[in-house]
Amino acid sequence: DARVTQTPRHKVTEMGQEVTMRCQPILGHNTVFWYRQTMMQGLELLAYFRNRAPLDDSGMPKDRFSAEMPDATLATLKIQPSEPRDSAVYFCASGWTSGGLSYNEQFFGPGTRLTVL
Amino acid sequence: EDKVVQSPLSLVVHEGDTVTLNCSYEVTNFRSLLWYKQEKKAPTFLFMLTSSGIEKKSGRLSSILDKKELFSILNITATQTGDSAIYLCAVGSGSYNTDKLIFGTGTRLQVFP
Repeated sequence: DARVTQTPRHKVTEMGQEVTMRCQPILGHNTVFWYRQTMMQGLELLAYFRNRAPLDDSGMPKDRFSAEMPDATLATLKIQPSEPRDSAVYFCASGWTSGGLSYNEQFFGPGTRLTVL
Repeated sequence: EDKVVQSPLSLVVHEGDTVTLNCSYEVTNFRSLLWYKQEKKAPTFLFMLTSSGIEKKSGRLSSILDKKELFSILNITATQTGDSAIYLCAVGSGSYNTDKLIFGTGTRLQVFP
């Protein structure tokens, strides 16, 4: 049963601490997306990768957020330093594109619920 | 600016009712429209629509796309309490070879016995 996995599922931390969230995309998928979801803003795209290359991180606060894909099976999202306004659910999703043609179907992981005190 | 607008924001019905959820969009280079269902966890994929007028069905759920009028509807017939969720509409947009989705804020559906 192929699915996207994320760790940790819940994280409570204090303001100023570093937070690292991890995602394992579905095997064979070559696009990875990081989203943030809050009640006020809904689902916002933070960054995405294709074939491990970062293609768009315009939705991410650059001064404190960073996203990487060290290998095809791992994507990370880091916040340093964290702030209370970063409290949200962070989703990773993966998909597949080939020959430049993508119909955009994405499969979501269970999310990381982050609380910054 | 690309945008996806869903209506209504919230809907409360009784079991057995039929509901229609709306999604309108303004995007450059439309490629696909997707519906997701989100309960208390991750969004799960329902449908992907790329062509106008072709209805997609899955059990009591169905959806259709109108690319001329730039909208889609999601119908749920004979609703059940298990249909209670947030329904998200997303549009794939951009130049060829772009994988991003633009999400609406969702419609919260509550089905009571």
